Amino acid sequence: QSVLTQPPSVSGAPGQRVTISCTGSSSNIGAGYDVHWYQQLPGTAPKLLIYGNSNRPSGVPDRFSGSKSGTSASLAITGLQAEDEADYYCQSYDSSLSGKVFGTGTKVTVL
Amino acid sequence: EVQLVESGGGLVKPGGSLRLSCAASGFTFSNAWMSWVRQAPGKGLEWVGRIKSKTDGGTTDYAAPVKGRFTISRDDSKNTLYLQMNSLKTEDTAVYYCVTTVNTFDAFDIWGQGTMVTVSS
Repeated sequence: QSVLTQPPSVSGAPGQRVTISCTGSSSNIGAGYDVHWYQQLPGTAPKLLIYGNSNRPSGVPDRFSGSKSGTSASLAITGLQAEDEADYYCQSYDSSLSGKVFGTGTKVTVL
Repeated sequence: EVQLVESGGGLVKPGGSLRLSCAASGFTFSNAWMSWVRQAPGKGLEWVGRIKSKTDGGTTDYAAPVKGRFTISRDDSKNTLYLQMNSLKTEDTAVYYCVTTVNTFDAFDIWGQGTMVTVSS
């Protein structure tokens, strides 16, 4: 079972803004470890979307943004597009488990 | 082009063994810390384990569900990462991804296409 909790699903109309939360604890996000976000389109390997809490790799649209506060992190998608329909995962490090951990995953649906 | 290509997946009976390989190209493999991540059918991502570069000690770390059964190794002369899986269980059924960090310090910015492992009698 994952130690990072995400909502199972979020939805929004094209052009709207949606946010995905990633809730951890004092042994992972709250301990200061970075949070990264991945996008997984249907039938494909995950792709890095945000690294180091709020940085975008080259080629990722600025519609995607990340933030972190306390024991939680968030991914925001503004100007939602049909191509954003995918599963999204947060990821960090957990000192109690001595390893990387992923969030439970969130399915984004564009209405 | 930076690339990771996994191979070796297939159908194996419970209690059996399988070795996955991951061929790397387009970056300095010997300097990279390499990991395996898996995804059971219809489920989320799960970190399996990691091996550091030899210059950083070459040590390995594993997730609790696979510790003692799985072994990660590397052959820097062949730019290849391995995952030896023993005492396989039905719950090990998943797509296994080879992943690494090239440009983003700590995040997994390079993913292979994955290889499917099915553990079933």
